[in-house]
Amino acid sequence: GENVEQHPSTLSVQEGDSAVIKCTYSDSASNYFPWYKQELGKRPQLIIDIRSNVGEKKDQRIAVTLNKTAKHFSLHITETQPEDSAVYFCAAIRKDKIIFGKGTRLHILP
Amino acid sequence: DAGVIQSPRHEVTEMGQEVTLRCKPISGHNSLFWYRQTMMRGLELLIYFNNNVPIDDSGMPEDRFSAKMPNASFSTLKIQPSEPRDSAVYFCASSPGTVEVPYFGPGTRLTVT
Repeated sequence: GENVEQHPSTLSVQEGDSAVIKCTYSDSASNYFPWYKQELGKRPQLIIDIRSNVGEKKDQRIAVTLNKTAKHFSLHITETQPEDSAVYFCAAIRKDKIIFGKGTRLHILP
Repeated sequence: DAGVIQSPRHEVTEMGQEVTLRCKPISGHNSLFWYRQTMMRGLELLIYFNNNVPIDDSGMPEDRFSAKMPNASFSTLKIQPSEPRDSAVYFCASSPGTVEVPYFGPGTRLTVT
């Protein structure tokens, strides 16, 4: 069935360095790819999204890239800060379904 | 806009009791989702509604779980009887349509002892 794989499950980076989280999806009908950030004890919140007709999108320190041929998309966070520590979820949406990845726990080390 | 509203925020109950979780979606949103989150299984979609009609309930664990959406501004998720393995955070989310990004409520943390 449809699946979204997310890697790594845990990531530790030094403050100021970059972090990259990758997702692959199986359903070629998926055409919308949001990313959520979930801080401890809080709800998942949308931070950035990309549609299938776009290869890259950037918003300040975060960017998302999409390779539809290879069916993978990535989240890039540059100049990481302590407040970036959270769990990040990718998702793939097609017309009648949204599938989430299992999440990546990002630790920003001082 | 107040966002998605859920109640209660925390619920502690004993095994065998009935639990009802409530959700008010964002006004104007046509789709409503119920998710369960645990450390072991991550975010699981339980059921989603479009225009108050259940579209996909394949994620509902078993007959002990039921969900209703009597109108566009209210939904309930009921567990009867509850079991300790139902302990989790239950999120309600809504979106303008099924192909749009869901916006999550604050969640209900359920503990069944």
